[in-house]
Amino acid sequence: TQLLEQSPQFLSIQEGENLTVYCNSSSVFSSLQWYRQEPGEGPVLLVTVVTGGEVKKLKRLTFQFGDARKDSSLHITAAQPGDTGLYLCAGAADSGAGSYQLTFGKGTKLSVIP
Amino acid sequence: EAGVAQSPRYKIIEKRQSVAFWCNPISGHATLYWYQQILGQGPKLLIQFQNNGVVDDSQLPKDRFSAERLKGVDSTLKIQPAKLEDSAVYLCASSFTGFRTNEKLFFGSGTQLSVL
Repeated sequence: TQLLEQSPQFLSIQEGENLTVYCNSSSVFSSLQWYRQEPGEGPVLLVTVVTGGEVKKLKRLTFQFGDARKDSSLHITAAQPGDTGLYLCAGAADSGAGSYQLTFGKGTKLSVIP
Repeated sequence: EAGVAQSPRYKIIEKRQSVAFWCNPISGHATLYWYQQILGQGPKLLIQFQNNGVVDDSQLPKDRFSAERLKGVDSTLKIQPAKLEDSAVYLCASSFTGFRTNEKLFFGSGTQLSVL
């Protein structure tokens, strides 16, 4: 079973601050996805990173995939209250039947205080 | 485009009772997933269907959980009998093929189950 460790588990910051969330594993993944989940809703995909060392930017969010494809980070610049939510990383690996399976981390619960 | 539909949104039952959840994926999506999300944790895959066949059910507690996707479209997940530790949100997701590493999963809003 492939495990993904996310840190920190909880994060409460003031509006305008920067933050970084980490996602680490001892396993290699074919790709890594970041989702955001709001209360009462399902996760929504933010980004997928595929290549080791890849960096993707989505407005104030910067995602990086580690060179060895075992870890990833999410950096938010100038956080806003609308960024509040549960951030989940998920690693994709071949399930052995030709299809891919996602393994999720436990998530980082972010609260941005106005 | 219609999203993944799930029902009911909430369900409260007593332990040892049975319960069923329904999911209708996005039209044309071949792969359907059922995830269990316990409070404070990330989603855990219970079962993955490719059309009407099971790809992976290794984490499904088969003594009490069952799932089917008879016509390769909508799906039903059943728990019988329910235990207290089954209290969780049950999420259904679908993807276009399931055969690409960077494929996006579309999630429904989930069914929140409380077992008393």
